[in-house]
Amino acid sequence: DTEVTQTPKHLVMGMTNKKSLKCEQHMGHRAMYWYKQKAKKPPELMFVYSYEKLSINESVPSRFSPECPNSSLLNLHLHALQPEDSALYLCASSLMSGTGNSNQPQHFGDGTRLSIL
Amino acid sequence: LAKTTQPISMDSYEGQEVNITCSHNNIATNDYITWYQQFPSQGPRFIIQGYKTKVTNEVASLFIPADRKSSTLSLPRVSLSDTAVYYCLVGGGYQKVTFGTGTKLQVIP
Repeated sequence: DTEVTQTPKHLVMGMTNKKSLKCEQHMGHRAMYWYKQKAKKPPELMFVYSYEKLSINESVPSRFSPECPNSSLLNLHLHALQPEDSALYLCASSLMSGTGNSNQPQHFGDGTRLSIL
Repeated sequence: LAKTTQPISMDSYEGQEVNITCSHNNIATNDYITWYQQFPSQGPRFIIQGYKTKVTNEVASLFIPADRKSSTLSLPRVSLSDTAVYYCLVGGGYQKVTFGTGTKLQVIP
């Protein structure tokens, strides 16, 4: 079991559907992340939220829309996805260092396996 | 961000010590080195983190030479359950982390 919970575990959707991925953590972490991972590849960073504000968008297409409604929740809204968007979507969270000079390890959920038909 | 280079894959017999080396030639002064383990269909799990010299916890040791341009993750007496992909990450601060290609460790009975 992980301390970061992602739902659903699996999602199949058509290219015209709208769906959302959800992520929740109760560790008091104020940094939250979305990653995309294709098969046999490393995770690729998509978005970073710091204190519920979007701080990094790694040039992700607008068909992916993140939302952080509060400090424990992170959503990823999906619309008009393409077959190449099929992947494992990982959420992570971490503490935020006051100095910015130390790494805070990220805690990952087990992801949502997304398939686009 | 510092780029990391690791072997693509490694094989080891059960009970042996495994050392996975990561090269990070352009590591910055305030960068830490972090290792994660990932099993299929699961998220990465934090293993160990260090800045210099040696760090040890209940599952692994991390050796970092004085120039910090490389690091070695040491797994003592591996078992079949240690079969996984191991990622070395280098970065400072909490916001942006770039995963390298990772090392796929296969433990053989």
